[in-house]
Amino acid sequence: QSALTQPPSASGSPGQSVTISCTGTSSDVGGYNYVSWYQQHPGKAPKLMIYEVTKRPSGVPDRFSGSKSGNTASLTVSGLQAEDEADYYCSSYVGSNNPVLFGGGTKLTVL
Amino acid sequence: QITLKDSGPTLVKPTQTLTLTCTFSGFSLSTGGVGVGWIRQPPGKALEWLALIYWDDDKRYSPSLKSRLTITKDTSKNQVVLTMTNLDPVDTATYYCAHTNYYSGSYSFDYWGQGTLVTVSS
Repeated sequence: QSALTQPPSASGSPGQSVTISCTGTSSDVGGYNYVSWYQQHPGKAPKLMIYEVTKRPSGVPDRFSGSKSGNTASLTVSGLQAEDEADYYCSSYVGSNNPVLFGGGTKLTVL
Repeated sequence: QITLKDSGPTLVKPTQTLTLTCTFSGFSLSTGGVGVGWIRQPPGKALEWLALIYWDDDKRYSPSLKSRLTITKDTSKNQVVLTMTNLDPVDTATYYCAHTNYYSGSYSFDYWGQGTLVTVSS
């Protein structure tokens, strides 16, 4: 199973919005509403930002939102802040025998 | 408060077996829906899911590594152990354990250990 496809990099200026895509197939992203997004700062463990495509865990700012269309899921960060600069990974449910598949990651730079 | 701490050797020789332990608090692996997974990340590379064990002892493995992985739980000690056989230098990575709940946030990991860096080298 190949990793989900994410752009290697994305960038935006403070206050702007940026969207990161996560492309899979009808067997993973397109087939289930179990897409998650994680934020990872250098040297730190990943942090769950979005689960089940659109849901935010308690404590995650509402500047972070998730969506899905067909086989592509997206994470949108609105009102970019300096602390949003990090690596972002998507993941999707693939099936009972392979429940978690990660994307290749996107490095978000706040200009 | 949920916390997880992953631990294991920092250096392992090729062909050896790696044993990693996740010691957690703030939840019980005997509670319905609860699971603990292992994820690794080679230096400078992406996350890779390895294995998952649920409260009912249901186990799931990455298809590409299934033959080399074994995940077990000790509910009384609040620990989950992952063993990986026949290590190779490409297995050099930071290994994380993480909490999940099948009934809330299925297949996502909401709490993570700090990670333990394992280097495979002779």
